[in-house]
Amino acid sequence: EDQVTQSPEALRLQEGESSSLNCSYTVSGLRGLFWYRQDPGKGPEFLFTLYSAGEEKEKERLKATLTKKESFLHITAPKPEDSATYLCAVQAKNTGGFKTIFGAGTRLFVKA
Amino acid sequence: DSGVTQTPKHLITATGQRVTLRCSPRSGDLSVYWYQQSLDQGLQFLIQYYNGEERAKGNILERFSAQQFPDLHSELNLSSLELGDSALYFCASSVALLAGGDNEQFFGPGTRLTVL
Repeated sequence: EDQVTQSPEALRLQEGESSSLNCSYTVSGLRGLFWYRQDPGKGPEFLFTLYSAGEEKEKERLKATLTKKESFLHITAPKPEDSATYLCAVQAKNTGGFKTIFGAGTRLFVKA
Repeated sequence: DSGVTQTPKHLITATGQRVTLRCSPRSGDLSVYWYQQSLDQGLQFLIQYYNGEERAKGNILERFSAQQFPDLHSELNLSSLELGDSALYFCASSVALLAGGDNEQFFGPGTRLTVL
C-alpha cells in the first residue's frame, strides 16, 4: 500500500537551532515529491518539487533532499516566522493518471 | 496569494443537507484537485479533473461528486451531509497532468464546512 510518513510529528526549536524534518515513502511509480508549508487555517503553500534521488533544492533557510526512500527538509538557523506545519506529498502512478498522497505533517515551533 | 479562489469561505449547514463548493483555478492551469482536511485525518485527496475530464479518484465518498466546467472552474457537491463531513475543503490547481513539467499544486484558501 502506498504510504507517506513524516517525522517527527512536532518539533520545537530555539531560534537559530538548525534541524531536519523527515518524509519516508513507500509508493510504486513515483513521479515526484513535494514539500509544502501550511499555516493554521490556510491552504498549503508550495515550497519544492523533487523528481529523482540525489536531487536537492534550496530556498532561503530551507533545503530539500531526496533519496530512493525518503526526503529531508533541512532548516538552517530558523526564525520564529518559520513556525508552521510542513507537509510532504508524493505523486504516484494510478489508474488513468496519478494520485497525490500527503503525509500527516510536522508541526514546527520556533521560539525567539 | 496563490491565484486559486474558493467560495464560500465558511459554510454552516445541517445533517442531511446538500452543499456546493466552488473553485476557480489559476489562470492557465488545466488540472483541478479537491482535498478534505480534518483534524484527525490530515489532507486527503478526493478527486482530480484535467481539462473537464475526471482523471484520478482518491478517498471520495459516493455522496460526494465533482465536475469541471468548460471555463475550467470546478464544483464539489456534498450531499446527505453527516457530522463527520465537517472539515476544511481545499481546491488546488496545476498546469500539467503529469510530472516532467511544473505540476506542483497551488492551493486555494479553503472552505470551512461545519455540519450541525
